[in-house]
Amino acid sequence: AQTVTQSQPEMSVQEAETVTLSCTYDTSESDYYLFWYKQPPSRQMILVIRQEAYKQQNATENRFSVNFQKAAKSFSLKISDSQLGDAAMYFCAYSSARQLTFGSGTQLTVLP
Amino acid sequence: EADIYQTPRYLVIGTGKKITLECSQTMGHDKMYWYQQDPGMELHLIHYSYGVNSTEKGDLSSESTVSRIRTEHFPLTLESARPSHTSQYLCASSELGYNEQFFGPGTRLTVL
Repeated sequence: AQTVTQSQPEMSVQEAETVTLSCTYDTSESDYYLFWYKQPPSRQMILVIRQEAYKQQNATENRFSVNFQKAAKSFSLKISDSQLGDAAMYFCAYSSARQLTFGSGTQLTVLP
Repeated sequence: EADIYQTPRYLVIGTGKKITLECSQTMGHDKMYWYQQDPGMELHLIHYSYGVNSTEKGDLSSESTVSRIRTEHFPLTLESARPSHTSQYLCASSELGYNEQFFGPGTRLTVL
């Protein structure tokens, strides 16, 4: 079974600074997707960024980028120029053809 | 506008009551899911469906039941609610394959 590990239950970052959230996963499959989801307080879970395992190039979405290391099974999220609205719980997720497996989440606080 | 809806958003009921949490999506997705999430904690998959008349139990054992009679509708029922059922319930949907899941706003259930 696939497992997803987020080793940082809580992180904080100063507004306008950069922060990196860690995620590792375990799988024996070669074809899969990876995602980062954001869940703001009392608000809907939304997708931040996705990465296809067959792509070597790291995904980027505006201020959000990933560092995907397939051999190391690592998938970290970098948030640049952090904003107050980035404060949320962030979940890393692994997707096989069968289902999505979530990590335990990292609570990100943005300090003004 | 294509979206995923959950009703009610908040529900407070007494022990022993039967409840149904509604989930509908207008995206034409075949796959639908129910997750249970305590505040600030990880998500636990309790039910999923790959299409009409298909339902499966997830990783977390749950006393709830689900049905999938129409593609767009995936209700969750608790025959006799208990305080241990107090939690947030998130519904999600996705296309077949490795695609990301789209989440509803959630139902926050409190059983007194």
